[in-house]
Amino acid sequence: AQKITQTQPGMFVQEKEAVTLDCTYDTSDQSYGLFWYKQPSSGEMIFLIYQGSYDEQNATEGRYSLNFQKARKSANLVISASQLGDSAMYFCAMREGLGRGYKLSFGAGTTVTVRA
Amino acid sequence: GAVVSQHPSWVICKSGTSVKIECRSLDFQATTMFWYRQFPKQSLMLMATSNEGSKATYEQGVEKDKFLINHASLTLSTLTVTSAHPEDSSFYICSATPAGGLAGETQYFGPGTRLLVL
Repeated sequence: AQKITQTQPGMFVQEKEAVTLDCTYDTSDQSYGLFWYKQPSSGEMIFLIYQGSYDEQNATEGRYSLNFQKARKSANLVISASQLGDSAMYFCAMREGLGRGYKLSFGAGTTVTVRA
Repeated sequence: GAVVSQHPSWVICKSGTSVKIECRSLDFQATTMFWYRQFPKQSLMLMATSNEGSKATYEQGVEKDKFLINHASLTLSTLTVTSAHPEDSSFYICSATPAGGLAGETQYFGPGTRLLVL
């Protein structure tokens, strides 16, 4: 069964506007973590933001915020004030359990294209 | 932040040859390293988990004799694609987690290696 689901293959957003990338997850663990990564065309994986399952507040990192709805098992990424450099593929990922050397399960990704 | 390097960044080889890709953690000790494979416009697929000093754990469907992984030290893991064929052409990415890392700490990813088998 798919652990991470990203239903938006591609999105277009106007520069300076906000965009929300959807991510739903499936786990029976009580302890888990959710990550978002950005992958530009160069291929490097850039860590954006993290939300732990026990964190009561939504995570924020600069222009990135994570809308965590635990009951719905969703962890949407919001990018505010989009910039041309935000054009990339974005992946949602989940870590299950608290063990060190944990595995990540990745979603299919969403390609974001920012238009001037 | 923690830095992971990969070498080479690009490799082109003939069908039937073997290719070795190195993954190094430059400023931290990595007890665990991961190897992923990614096809264009697709997600990362975990191939194997590599722990220092022990045999790698391969994901289902990944041929361990085809993709040899050696984690010889706390800063180096290698992936060898043996008898490479055109279908092995892909983007290979490694990642590492520090010893004593926190639960919320990300895996640190290398820049990736693009393999083209002719």
